[in-house]
Amino acid sequence: DQQVKQNSPSLSVQEGRISILNCDYTNSMFDYFLWYKKYPAEGPTFLISISSIKDKNEDGRFTVFLNKSAKHLSLHIVPSQPGDSAVYFCAARPNYGGSQGNLIFGKGTKLSVKP
Amino acid sequence: DSGVTQTPKHLITATGQRVTLRCSPRSGDLSVYWYQQSLDQGLQFLIQYYNGEERAKGNILERFSAQQFPDLHSELNLSSLELGDSALYFCASRGRLSTDTQYFGPGTRLTVL
Repeated sequence: DQQVKQNSPSLSVQEGRISILNCDYTNSMFDYFLWYKKYPAEGPTFLISISSIKDKNEDGRFTVFLNKSAKHLSLHIVPSQPGDSAVYFCAARPNYGGSQGNLIFGKGTKLSVKP
Repeated sequence: DSGVTQTPKHLITATGQRVTLRCSPRSGDLSVYWYQQSLDQGLQFLIQYYNGEERAKGNILERFSAQQFPDLHSELNLSSLELGDSALYFCASRGRLSTDTQYFGPGTRLTVL
């Protein structure tokens, strides 16, 4: 059973426009959420995170929104640039006994930003 | 560059064989995590070590094992390999606090023929 779901396997956006990547989760014990970006032949790179006690975190062109009641988070990239083209993974950290910071990942969304 | 190194980058082997993947964490990081990414799948957590001790286990098969050495590098051992073990294997390291971010290595691509 997938606890972290990214229902859109791919997204295509025009350069300069907003990219919105979505992620849903099922486990209310998650206390921390992260977004990672991955280029081919490289490991995932940390992008931005948000604690479950917040509803928004912003870092430059990247903003993550968290809606706890809907168990939904989204990553907004404004403006989108061709270099943002990559696979984006949503990850969640469970806060219960036996967990030690390990992350549960979604399957990823491939973002293509067209010039 | 995340500061996490993994070797080898690619590994091709046959079914039934055993391989060892190596990971060196970022300087000062005590935690090492291993993840598996199969085709069209997200990263699946396998196992975590902290300062030489196993701390958490995920979906790790009994044919797989890991260890972390005194110099903090870690090895993931995969034995009796099957075709379905073909995947990308990533290690990540993390600072002392569970709130610290995990930084990933470039991965090892394992192909089992």
